[in-house]
Amino acid sequence: GNSVTQMEGPVTLSEEAFLTINCTYTATGYPSLFWYVQYPGEGLQLLLKATKADDKGSNKGFEATYRKETTSFHLEKGSVQVSDSAVYFCALSQGAQKLVFGQGTRLTINP
Amino acid sequence: DVKVTQSSRYLVKRTGEKVFLECVQDMDHENMFWYRQDPGLGLRLIYFSYDVKMKEKGDIPEGYSVSREKKERFSLILESASTNQTSMYLCASRFRVGLSYEQYFGPGTRLTVT
Repeated sequence: GNSVTQMEGPVTLSEEAFLTINCTYTATGYPSLFWYVQYPGEGLQLLLKATKADDKGSNKGFEATYRKETTSFHLEKGSVQVSDSAVYFCALSQGAQKLVFGQGTRLTINP
Repeated sequence: DVKVTQSSRYLVKRTGEKVFLECVQDMDHENMFWYRQDPGLGLRLIYFSYDVKMKEKGDIPEGYSVSREKKERFSLILESASTNQTSMYLCASRFRVGLSYEQYFGPGTRLTVT
């Protein structure tokens, strides 16, 4: 079945550092890929998405590119802020099937 | 803006009580979902509904039931709450965008069963 694997956390960075959170997936065909962010005590928010190979999703300075050849959708940000501290989830779906989530990566940014 | 609301942010109930968690979305979405989130276990799907009066079991339906009498409202019911149902409960709805779907979550209800 479909699955998503994220890099293990927690990840701790200093403010203004470059961020990469790795995400790889297993799926047949061409799934849609998503990144969600969960701030402390809140629900998940859709951060960005990509629906076909080589698409780049972007939002709030975050980017991720759908790489079919490496089955990856890594999340990047050039300069993180303390307010980016949250848990990040990579997810995929195919057609009308349910979302499949990775286990989440906790990110802490120190001032 | 898509808005998914949940009836309570925090709830404390006693063992054996019947508990209702309500979720409402205002965007006419057909599909709605209930998840629970526990440390180290990630998000687990309890039940989902593709349309009014339809329901499907997710990965962990035991101890729960659901009701979808109106399109905008999806209720999760704990018939007899137990301490192992202490958790964060997240509701979501989704809509179709081209060949894909976008799913949006409510703020969550943190339920404590004592």
